[in-house]
Amino acid sequence: GENVEQHPSTLSVQEGDSAVIKCTYSDSASNYFPWYKQELGKGPQLIIDIRSNVGEKKDQRIAVTLNKTAKHFSLHITETQPEDSAVYFCAAIVNTDKLIFGTGTRLQVFP
Amino acid sequence: EADIYQTPRYLVIGTGKKITLECSQTMGHDKMYWYQQDPGMELHLIHYSYGVNSTEKGDLSSESTVSRIRTEHFPLTLESARPSHTSQYLCASSGGQGSFFGSGTQLSVL
Repeated sequence: GENVEQHPSTLSVQEGDSAVIKCTYSDSASNYFPWYKQELGKGPQLIIDIRSNVGEKKDQRIAVTLNKTAKHFSLHITETQPEDSAVYFCAAIVNTDKLIFGTGTRLQVFP
Repeated sequence: EADIYQTPRYLVIGTGKKITLECSQTMGHDKMYWYQQDPGMELHLIHYSYGVNSTEKGDLSSESTVSRIRTEHFPLTLESARPSHTSQYLCASSGGQGSFFGSGTQLSVL
């Protein structure tokens, strides 16, 4: 079936460094790609999203890039801070209706 | 700020009880979803709806059922809870502004 793959599953970086999380999807008709941050005991929070008619989107320290030909999209966090530590999920709309998630990346930012 | 709400936030209940988890959104979104998430990260889609009177099963088989009588309301029901249903249940909705989650219901069945 349609799926979303996410890598890496864990990522440790030093404060101030950049972090990159990558996802690939299988449904070529997918047109919406959100990213979520989930802290312990909370629901996922939408942090940035991108639609298929755009190649890159930035919001302060966070950016997302989309390569429709290769069917992959990435989250970039620059100047990481300890409060960026959380689990990050990518997702894609597949079959026009279903919002399917990657398996998550646990990001740890060390001071 | 996302306007999607789930109640209760926590629920501890005995085996065999019938339970309903509530989910409401005020954004007018047509698409709504239920996910099950165990500790250790993965979000599994168990039900979704693309509008009133439409419901579909997700990728993970679930004994729960859902209904969508009103656009803003997408409750999930378990007729007879079992310990294997212990998990976190997350509701989401999707529209032009994006896709948003509620805070989740942590269900524990004893």
